[in-house]
Amino acid sequence: EPEVTQTPSHQVTQMGQEVILRCVPISNHLYFYWYRQILGQKVEFLVSFYNNEISEKSEIFDDQFSVERPDGSNFTLKIRSTKLEDSAMYFCASSEWGPSGSSYNEQFFGPGTRLTVL
Amino acid sequence: QKEVEQNSGPLSVPEGAIASLNCTYSDRGSQSFFWYRQYSGKSPELIMFIYSNGDKEDGRFTAQLNKASQYVSLLIRDSQPSDSATYLCAVSTGGFKTIFGAGTRLFVKA
Repeated sequence: EPEVTQTPSHQVTQMGQEVILRCVPISNHLYFYWYRQILGQKVEFLVSFYNNEISEKSEIFDDQFSVERPDGSNFTLKIRSTKLEDSAMYFCASSEWGPSGSSYNEQFFGPGTRLTVL
Repeated sequence: QKEVEQNSGPLSVPEGAIASLNCTYSDRGSQSFFWYRQYSGKSPELIMFIYSNGDKEDGRFTAQLNKASQYVSLLIRDSQPSDSATYLCAVSTGGFKTIFGAGTRLFVKA
């Protein structure tokens, strides 16, 4: 069964360093998402991406964050200068379709990357 | 601020019983409603989604939606120990953004 994959599973970095989290969405999916979950807290939407551009982003997704689809398979989240509060689990998700009126297409989540900022 | 509220639990039920999980949301413009299951240290997994008022059944799971009361619930019949997890309620207003509740921890005792 196709699945979303993420690398690395755990990333440890020093405060102020740049990190790139990588995701390989399901191959026929067109919509891509990043979420984060701070330990013990809610899953929070960061950004959605479609047709090589951001379709929606949350207030969390500030100038320190960027996303890119550098080739036909990878989808990346870059944090330019990490802060202690960026420590969290980051989930990538993909869906075949986007929101359309009352319909919805299931978002498939990857296993996550645990980011630890020291 | 758009919010999704859930009782954090834990909710403890005996094996074979019905587990009832509840969720309220603040944005009356919300259109799509989801229940995810999340095992400890794992990613969310979609169990049910519902758009229209009323009940939607899928196997042992029933989602109930009442837009007038801004209330969504999930019933799990014949609960099994493997159902022990955190259940996340999530809401979308029709765009790409999905807002999650903090989740209810469910324990099913064998």
